[in-house]
Amino acid sequence: DIQMTQSPSSVSASVGDRVTITCRASQGISSWLAWYQQKPGKAPTLLIYDASTLQSGVPSRFSGSGSGTYFTLTISSLQPEDFATYYCQQANSFPLTFGGGTKVEIK
Amino acid sequence: QVRLQESGPALVKPSETLSLTCTVTGGSTSSNSHLWSWIRQAPGKGLEWIGVIYYTGNTFYNPSLKSRSVISADRPTNQVSLQLTSATAADTGVYYCARVVTGQNYFDPWGPGFLVTVSS
Repeated sequence: DIQMTQSPSSVSASVGDRVTITCRASQGISSWLAWYQQKPGKAPTLLIYDASTLQSGVPSRFSGSGSGTYFTLTISSLQPEDFATYYCQQANSFPLTFGGGTKVEIK
Repeated sequence: QVRLQESGPALVKPSETLSLTCTVTGGSTSSNSHLWSWIRQAPGKGLEWIGVIYYTGNTFYNPSLKSRSVISADRPTNQVSLQLTSATAADTGVYYCARVVTGQNYFDPWGPGFLVTVSS
């Protein structure tokens, strides 16, 4: 199985801050990576796929980069609605696996 | 716009079978453009992929759950089902169904999720 490791596990930030979350794969996955946002009590929603492609309707303050084993999700200017937990997911091979999540909290 | 809705018994006794149904509206489980997957989340924990069913009926499962999992599709009713046998307390959590675009393995959209508790 491909292990996905996210860091940090939590981050405290203020509105307007730039936030970067990293995700590492235990083996190369090319660009087969997605990022999801999950708010409390809700299902995850797809933000980015293919490592850097923004899903339709997702604000442009979200961006993704990386390939191989190292990936990042950046929120350029944190907004109140962005406080949530973010997960990466490898789509390279079965079993599909997720990172442990990064909780973005209000400072 | 496709919508997914999970349903089933909210309480399952240990050693019994956990059974859930995902009803798809606005889309077809027979389409060769999409696959259908189940994912779960234990309370306060991360996401765990359970398995996927192709439009051909072929299935793939997480090895950690493969021996206990069955995913099936009922094309006429546009439903996808999950059965998880020999349930234990460790199977307690929110279960999500999600659509997957064929040729990719990303989940979009997801159903709202359904909380299942395994307890006597």
